[in-house]
Order: sequence, then C-alpha cells, then structure tokens
Amino acid sequence: SQTIHQWPATLVQPVGSPLSLECTVEGTSNPNLYWYRQAAGRGLQLLFYSVGIGQISSEVPQNLSASRPQDRQFILSSKKLLLSDSGFYLCAWDRGYEQYFGPGTRLTVT
Amino acid sequence: KNQVEQSPQSLIILERKNCTLQCNYTVSPFSNLRWYKQDTGRGPVSLTIMTFSENTKSNGRYTATLDADTKQSSLHITASQLSDSASYICVVSVGQAGTALIFGKGTTLSVSS
Repeated sequence: SQTIHQWPATLVQPVGSPLSLECTVEGTSNPNLYWYRQAAGRGLQLLFYSVGIGQISSEVPQNLSASRPQDRQFILSSKKLLLSDSGFYLCAWDRGYEQYFGPGTRLTVT
Repeated sequence: KNQVEQSPQSLIILERKNCTLQCNYTVSPFSNLRWYKQDTGRGPVSLTIMTFSENTKSNGRYTATLDADTKQSSLHITASQLSDSASYICVVSVGQAGTALIFGKGTTLSVSS
C-alpha cells in the first residue's frame, strides 16, 4: 500500500531563518506531488506541484521554492522565512483521480 | 471566478444526532466534487468523490449528495460520534489534473456528549 511521510511534524523558526520541509511517498512510482499551505481560517492553497523529477511548477509567487531530487521525494524550502509563512504545510500525491495527503507540518515563524 | 462556499462555518451538535453540511460552487467546467475530513493537526482524508452523473454516494455514516443543476452538494452525517469532530472540506475539480482543485474553507464540526 502507498504511504506518504512528512517531517518534521512541527517547527518553530525565527524570521529570516532558512526552511526545509521534506515529503516522501512509498509504494508507488512516478506520482504527481503537491505542496499546499493551510492558514488559519482559510482553505488549502496550492503552492507547488511536480509531475516528475526536476519538474516544478509554482502556483503562487513567494519566497518559497520546491525541488524534486528523486521520484518520490519532494522538498519545500525557503532562504529567509517571513512571519506570513506560518501555517500548516501539506504534501499530497496522486496518480490520477484520487489525491492523498500527508500528515502535515505545523510551521510557526516567530 | 471559480469558488467553493461552505456553510455553516462551524457547527456544534450532540452525540448521536444527525447533521447536514452544505457546499455551493461556481466552478466551470465541473469534473468532480469531493468531501474530505480533516482532523485537527492532520492531513485531509477523502470521504467521497462524485462525478457529474452521480447524485448520491455513501461512505458508512457519511452520505454526500450532488445537484449539478443548482451546483450544490451536501454531506449528511448520521448518528454522529465524538470522533466525527473535525473539519469537513468540500473540493471541486475543474479537470482531471490535481492542480485543478478548488477548495472550500471547510465546516468545523464539534460533537459533544
């Protein structure tokens, strides 16, 4: 069966510090991968998606970036965090119809 | 503009009671409508997916309906349990690609004993 992992589960970082969140998928190959952010009281916002290794598309221009160094690994990064980057970050995968979400990372920027 | 509106924003019910959550959408072209359950601090989990031709789908005590003419969907929860306390998110797809999902803000349901 397929599983999706995210880490860390929670993170508290000061403004201006770098960020690296990791997502890995097991049990499938060549999945489409997605990064979402969920701010308090708001719906999920698609940040990045990838249809293959090294292929990244950005939905929202901001100080975040994403990379896909391996087929089942998706990384969300920032060189300098802003207060507005605080939120719940979700990784998801699909290979067609159904989309499956990871457990999420709670990021608090102080 | 593609939008998904959910109501109510929050709801409190007693255990074993039924409840209905609403979702209205202005999305075109419509591909499918999904309901997700999201426990606090967790990722969303799919409850149902309905295409244009389906007007009802059940998953245990959860029953979703879809009226494609009025662009409305509802999620009915029967005999609620404490574990039903969560956020319920309506998502409409404008195509087959995962990038074509329009998310509602969710309804927060609290079930009390």
